Amino acid sequence: GESVGLHLPTLSVQEGDNSIINCAYSNSASDYFIWYKQESGKGPQFIIDIRSNMDKRQGQRVTVLLNKTVKHLSLQIAATQPGDSAVYFCAEGTDSWGKLQFGAGTQVVVTP
Amino acid sequence: NAGVTQTPKFQVLKTGQSMTLQCAQDMNHNSMYWYRQDPGMGLRLIYYSASEGTTDKGEVPNGYNVSRLNKREFSLRLESAAPSQTSVYFCASKPVGYEQYFGPGTRLTVT
Repeated sequence: GESVGLHLPTLSVQEGDNSIINCAYSNSASDYFIWYKQESGKGPQFIIDIRSNMDKRQGQRVTVLLNKTVKHLSLQIAATQPGDSAVYFCAEGTDSWGKLQFGAGTQVVVTP
Repeated sequence: NAGVTQTPKFQVLKTGQSMTLQCAQDMNHNSMYWYRQDPGMGLRLIYYSASEGTTDKGEVPNGYNVSRLNKREFSLRLESAAPSQTSVYFCASKPVGYEQYFGPGTRLTVT
C-alpha cells in the first residue's frame, strides 16, 4: 500500500484465493491501527483494528498482522469473494481522541 | 438507526461562494470528525469534535470552520470556496473505542 499519487496500487486476486494487502506506516509511536474498506461511491467501512502491543488479530475471514520492527501492517482476506472488491485503507492512531492518519489505499480487484 | 447522514450528496459552487455541509448521527456518539478525500488518496482530517461543545483542528483546517451544534450534529462551513477545496467530504462519528462510523459523503466541486 505505498502512496503513488493519483494511481492506487492494485491487487488483482482470483475468487477463492487469499489476498494480502500491505501497508507501511510512518509513526513508530502509533498506538493502534485500523483497516477500512471503501466501496465505490461509499464511505469507509471498519474491518478490524489492532493495538500496538499485539502482533496478530483475527476476525471473520480477515487477519491483521503488525510488525513494529519494520513498521509494517498487513491485512489477509481468506477465500476472497467478489464483494471484497474495493479500496482498502490502513490508518494509524496515536491518541484517545481518535485522530487517524490514513494511507493512500490499495485497490483490490477480484476476478472470477 | 440511520447511522451517519450527510447533506447534500452533491454540490457545485463557484469560487468565492460559501456553503455549509451538514452531518448528523443517531448513535449517541461523543466524537465526530470531518475528512476530505482527494482522488487516489486516503482521507485527511479537517476538524474534529471530541465531545459536545469542543472542536479542534486536524491536519488540513485552513479554509474551513466547524460547529458542533449539539451531540448529534457537526457542520462544516466553507466561507469562500476555492477550486483546491474540490473533494469528497466525509463525516464520521465514534463511540468509546477505535471504530469510526462514516457517512456516505458529499461530493463538492468548486469551479
